[in-house]
Amino acid sequence: DAMVIQNPRYQVTQFGKPVTLSCSQTLNHNVMYWYQQKSSQAPKLLFHYYDKDFNNEADTPDNFQSRRPNTSFCFLDIRSPGLGDAAMYLCATSSATNTEAFFGQGTRLTVV
Amino acid sequence: GENVEQHPSTLSVQEGDSAVIKCTYSDSASNYFPWYKQELGKGPQLIIDIRSNVGEKKDQRIAVTLNKTAKHFSLHITETQPEDSAVYFCAATHNTNAGKSTFGDGTTLTVKP
Repeated sequence: DAMVIQNPRYQVTQFGKPVTLSCSQTLNHNVMYWYQQKSSQAPKLLFHYYDKDFNNEADTPDNFQSRRPNTSFCFLDIRSPGLGDAAMYLCATSSATNTEAFFGQGTRLTVV
Repeated sequence: GENVEQHPSTLSVQEGDSAVIKCTYSDSASNYFPWYKQELGKGPQLIIDIRSNVGEKKDQRIAVTLNKTAKHFSLHITETQPEDSAVYFCAATHNTNAGKSTFGDGTTLTVKP
């Protein structure tokens, strides 16, 4: 029944080693978002795709990239993870015709 | 840009009591205000939302009120239960881009049995 699926749920990566987090959705929503949530903080939007159009937030570091090969999948690439990038990464989707956003369960990233 | 402030940061109530969480926003263009519940280790889950053309909305034990003039909105939970314990986030956004929300800092609600 899961509609927004994030894999893996937990990811450990080495300092400076590229890592990719994935998100898939069964809702056929045209908008997909990536949020970063650090411990005891609010989710912070990194970027989003409106269909194939990529929209970056002004303060998102260049170290974070994203790919959306099709409607169902979206990837978050961290090119050179630093210790400060350890966080929960949340994927969300919404439809242009409906204001409700659906979140995945998140991927908790640990950088060692 | 939008700025959302949320109070209190922690709230402890006895089972059966009511809980109220308040938020303010800064951007008068914001017209959609969702509330999310986040349990430990999980993603946020929408529990109720309100649009700017409505002053109040209720869903069983949960209600939300909106004062557009004052740019305030509040979450009310009545007859609280231990399973209501979680972190609650308010958010504000405009247009139909619901996922492009500015979140409040969250309220950790603890309901004591």
